[in-house]
Amino acid sequence: LAKTTQPISMDSYEGQEVNITCSHNNIATNDYITWYQQFPSQGPRFIIQGYKTKVTNEVASLFIPADRKSSTLSLPRVSLSDTAVYYCLVHNYGQNFVFGPGTRLSVLP
Amino acid sequence: GAVVSQHPSWVICKSGTSVKIECRSLDFQATTMFWYRQFPKQSLMLMATSNEGSKATYEQGVEKDKFLINHASLTLSTLTVTSAHPEDSSFYICSARDRGAEGKLFFGSGTQLSVL
Repeated sequence: LAKTTQPISMDSYEGQEVNITCSHNNIATNDYITWYQQFPSQGPRFIIQGYKTKVTNEVASLFIPADRKSSTLSLPRVSLSDTAVYYCLVHNYGQNFVFGPGTRLSVLP
Repeated sequence: GAVVSQHPSWVICKSGTSVKIECRSLDFQATTMFWYRQFPKQSLMLMATSNEGSKATYEQGVEKDKFLINHASLTLSTLTVTSAHPEDSSFYICSARDRGAEGKLFFGSGTQLSVL
């Protein structure tokens, strides 16, 4: 399983763009990159998944460089309600989903 | 997105009793479901992988006789905490993999178990 490394915590202010980078140096050819958001006492919520280049949906963008050894989750114009823990996972179809410690994002007014 | 329903949301039980937690995929078939445990301020810890129609695969250190997992259909998996003790108090979360969505994993809302 590809191990991931991401910052333990980040602070931001409302209205700013937040970029959280995840390192996964030993990612395999068949691996996907998925990001989840978790609020206290709730299950993780799927944010975005990608394999290469850039993926964008209504809530976030995911940037993956050509070597795929890292990825960056971009949250545009964060609000207080975006305060949560964000997890980066690397996995392929047949593998278990193992969570790292995640990044605790605090959005300040 | 796909919906995974988990019940109950919270349960309080006496020490020595058993508690069953249900996990259902509502709008997709899940051949594989996962069960996690999470302590306050910590990440999710994978307990076991549940495959429909076969025995669950437990992670190292997880007692299979303590945490019974049944995955009898493509939409339902259950976790039974047998003879629960206070140290089993935790937040339990199930998830299901949607084969039709590039194997994306969707999570239930979690169950807070408190053993008195």
